Amino acid sequence: EVQLVESGGGLVQPGGSLRLSCAASGFNFSTYEMNWVRQAPGKGLEWVSYISGSGITTYYADSVKGRFTISRDNAKNALNLQMDSLRAEDTAIYYCARVRSNRWDVWGQGTTVTVSS
Amino acid sequence: DIQMTQSPSTLSASVGDRVTIACRASQSISRWLAWYQQKPGKAPKLLIYLASSLESGVPSRFSGSGSGTEFTLTISSLQPDDSATYYCQQYDTYWTFGQGTKVEIK
Repeated sequence: EVQLVESGGGLVQPGGSLRLSCAASGFNFSTYEMNWVRQAPGKGLEWVSYISGSGITTYYADSVKGRFTISRDNAKNALNLQMDSLRAEDTAIYYCARVRSNRWDVWGQGTTVTVSS
Repeated sequence: DIQMTQSPSTLSASVGDRVTIACRASQSISRWLAWYQQKPGKAPKLLIYLASSLESGVPSRFSGSGSGTEFTLTISSLQPDDSATYYCQQYDTYWTFGQGTKVEIK
């Protein structure tokens, strides 16, 4: 079964750091581009970051550029998001999503990040 | 940045009704548009890609149309299970979502 499972969310103080992970199974992970997307409480979806299958190419939304770092370990079928200098406005559910022929066809169940003092 | 605007924000319809949701892009995105369905507490689910291609396993009552800047998602006969929020997403230049349309069953 094709599956994505996020982990690593939690409560962190403003200015703190958190590392999210997304464990992939059931498909050849290294051949797929991946994205992180977030959803603030009661709000819509916001793209956060993209990474190519090889990990060489990455993109970030302006709202997180310079603070978040996306990476992947294809040997471990894992996608990561290192989040530094966290702000209250980063509070959200974070989803990882697989890209297949440009469309996002598989999503994880999400992990919740709360930034609060 | 490409902005995506959906209308309406909320709609209420009866089972069996034909429902249409509109999505407008701030600049031409050709047919690089997808539609997702999200139910409370769940991850989004892909319904339509390339503006009008139905994702495998999605009921045929869902359809998409449009190109350039104007797009629509149509549910031909609304079912109770279709109560959800629907998002359009452009993937012409990076990725942007519309603000969502909540569909309620009367």
